[in-house]
Formats: sequence, structure tokens, C-alpha cells
Amino acid sequence: GNSVTQMEGPVTLSEEAFLTINCTYTATGYPSLFWYVQYPGEGLQLLLKATKADDKGSNKGFEATYRKETTSFHLEKGSVQVSDSAVYFCALIRKNSGYSTLTFGKGTMLLVSP
Amino acid sequence: GAVVSQHPSRVICKSGTSVKIECRSLDFQATTMFWYRQFPKQSLMLMATSNEGSKATYEQGVEKDKFLINHASLTLSTLTVTSAHPEDSSFYICSASLAGAYEQYFGPGTRLTVT
Repeated sequence: GNSVTQMEGPVTLSEEAFLTINCTYTATGYPSLFWYVQYPGEGLQLLLKATKADDKGSNKGFEATYRKETTSFHLEKGSVQVSDSAVYFCALIRKNSGYSTLTFGKGTMLLVSP
Repeated sequence: GAVVSQHPSRVICKSGTSVKIECRSLDFQATTMFWYRQFPKQSLMLMATSNEGSKATYEQGVEKDKFLINHASLTLSTLTVTSAHPEDSSFYICSASLAGAYEQYFGPGTRLTVT
């Protein structure tokens, strides 16, 4: 079946440091891939997505490239801010008849200190 | 746009009672709504998928008689936890999507505590 594996946290960084959160997946076919962010006490927000191999999703300085050969979708940011502190979820979509369901990784907490 | 609300945000109930959680799409019509459960420091686990006007599709291992889902309109889905027990305590999150679209918009979640 489909599954998503992401690095365990928490990831603790100082402001302006470089961020990488690893994500790999197992799926049949060619899924679409997503990164969601969950700020404390809030629901999930879509951060970025990629729908086919070699696509790069980007938003708010975050980037991730869909790598079919390594089945990966690692999240990166060149310079993190304190406000980036949150839990980040990697996910893939499974398409059913008429709708699609998401499979999530376990989430990686990011803590950025000033 | 694409705002999803949940009510209540927190609820505490006694063991054996039932609790209803509402999920509303505020500015769009959601043909499909999803219910997830999130345990502390763990991922979201899909419980069920509901399409407006039809029965919900439950994921393997989720008791449909315990977690009753109703999707009576294009803007409202409800999850009722029947005869709640302490092990049902969790963070429940709903999401909604438009017809033919794969993007899901998530609600802020409901923290259920069963004493």
C-alpha cells in the first residue's frame, strides 16, 4: 500500500539556518506529493505540492522537488525564521473513484530559536 | 477563501456519553469531507470519507457504529462519537474538498477528552 516516511523530530535550528526535512514515499503509480504545515493549535495548511516527476513545488521560501528515481520529496528552506516553527507533514494522494485520499507521514516538528 | 470550521474546538465529556463534532465549509460547497484522528506526536489517520447524500466510507479498523458520520448538506458534516471512552480521547480534524479537485482544506481540529 501507500506510505510516507519522514525524518523524526524535533529539528532544532537557529534563525537563518538552512533547513532540510527528508521525506520518502512508497506508492503504486505516480502519486501527487504535498507538504502541509500545522502551527500550534491550528489545522493543517497546504504549504506546497508537486504533481509529477521533477516538478518543484515552492512557497514562502520553502521548496521540494519530486524525485521519482529516489522516491523522495525533501523539504528545504535556505534561511528559517522563528515564525517557521511548526509541525511539517509530507503526504501523497491516493485517487479513488470520484475523490482522493491523503496518506500522511508522521510529521516533523521544527523549532527555530532567535 | 476555502475556509473550514469545526465546532466545538474543545470538548470534555464523561465516559459513556455521546459527543457530536461539526465540520463546516464556510465559503464553498464540499462534495467530499474527510475525518481524521491525530494522536499526540503522531500523524493524521484517515477515519472515513463522506460524500454528500451518501453513506460514509470507513477505513479499515474504524468502527462505523461508534463513529457515526453524517454529511447531510454540501457545507456540513458531523462526526458523533457514541458511548465515548477514555481511549477515544484525541484530536479530530476534518477536511473538505470540491468536486473533482484533490486539494483538501482542513479545519482547525477538535480536542476531545473523555473522563
